Amino acid sequence: SQQGEEDPQALSIQEGENATMNCSYKTSINNLQWYRQNSGRGLVHLILIRSNEREKHSGRLRVTLDTSKKSSSLLITASRAADTASYFCATPISGNTPLVFGKGTRLSVIA
Amino acid sequence: DAGVTQSPTHLIKTRGQQVTLRCSPKSGHDTVSWYQQALGQGPQFIFQYYEEEERQRGNFPDRFSGHQFPNYSSELNVNALLLGDSALYLCASSPGQHGYTFGSGTRLTVV
Repeated sequence: SQQGEEDPQALSIQEGENATMNCSYKTSINNLQWYRQNSGRGLVHLILIRSNEREKHSGRLRVTLDTSKKSSSLLITASRAADTASYFCATPISGNTPLVFGKGTRLSVIA
Repeated sequence: DAGVTQSPTHLIKTRGQQVTLRCSPKSGHDTVSWYQQALGQGPQFIFQYYEEEERQRGNFPDRFSGHQFPNYSSELNVNALLLGDSALYLCASSPGQHGYTFGSGTRLTVV
């Protein structure tokens, strides 16, 4: 079963624009993570935000977390063609359980 | 320092056959998790191994089994292959329950 649900399913933008992806989840969490996947290959960890954090930055990435709405967003600023990939949110359902992933957002950045 | 290594990268099997996929974890990681990712979907948790024991298991039939060796490497075995088993199989290692590093995956095609 899916814990997170990303929105939109697909996003196409021009290089230089910002890309925003959203994730909604069902149960209480202690952290939420975002991953990137290029062309059906391995997943690359991007950023982790803990339940007591509201916003986190890493380079061109900005992640927010709203535990009251059970949602998170990933913002990629000044996108590049190399950002073209699928992006997934993932959470442990509770405590130390393994990660549960959403279906992902497919981002296409057009040069 | 090598990351997570999976072999083989691609595999074609016939329905009813058995397959073994292999994973070498990142140095210093003692926990291995396996995920199945169907085309266009998010990764689904199969099981997790720690100290050579299956610690947690997702909603997968008994046809899916695994093993972890003393050097922390792991195998995923699937018996009586079905067409629906065609997917990308991802291995992730971690030092405990956090800090997952994913391999590039094994693409299994069942014909």
